[in-house]
Amino acid sequence: AAGVIQSPRHLIKEKRETATLKCYPIPRHDTVYWYQQGPGQDPQFLISFYEKMQSDKGSIPDRFSAQQFSDYHSELNMSSLELGDSALYFCASSSRRDRVFFAGTDTQYFGPGTRLTVL
Amino acid sequence: GQQVMQIPQYQHVQEGEDFTTYCNSSTTLSNIQWYKQRPGGHPVFLIQLVKSGEVKKQKRLTFQFGEAKKNSSLHITATQTTDVGTYFCAAGGRGDYKLSFGAGTTVTVRA
Repeated sequence: AAGVIQSPRHLIKEKRETATLKCYPIPRHDTVYWYQQGPGQDPQFLISFYEKMQSDKGSIPDRFSAQQFSDYHSELNMSSLELGDSALYFCASSSRRDRVFFAGTDTQYFGPGTRLTVL
Repeated sequence: GQQVMQIPQYQHVQEGEDFTTYCNSSTTLSNIQWYKQRPGGHPVFLIQLVKSGEVKKQKRLTFQFGEAKKNSSLHITATQTTDVGTYFCAAGGRGDYKLSFGAGTTVTVRA
């Protein structure tokens, strides 16, 4: 079965540089989520998109922006990179059609992640 | 979002033994999901619990959702080396699609 694709898998940048992370959701999935996971930490929600519109926003710095395109892939743009931005960035996708009814939440399928290292 | 506390942070288990990881919230949860992340891997969905008092089993894994929907547990019996990894609980709110993860329980297994 097709999974979530993320590119690149590894990225090394210098401080103050910019980076773009890409996410290709599972086919027919309408929602994309971005998470940041620091070393030894749990994933922290950054932002999500449903049908190409931003649907929720978490602890995403103002230096970061994201969008979802007409083909449902998403890009996370990161500018003025700081050392503290070094982390694993996961994209997850889900389908609201598959949601469990009565207080359920979409099942989110995570991609392999992009490991960003800022030097 | 929903805040969930997860304990223990680390669990060192002898192969063949059982262990349990717990997830607690001060507020009522709409649902709770469990994920497993292997070292160097990504979170993989295990299960979602929605109903009060719900119990679900997957082979050696038993998941429970408390009657008050404020806590959940994952119990693994007869631990194997393949169980190594970090187990996260994650709370999703009704109509709130993002997940709030617990800190995770990192499991190591002694052969």
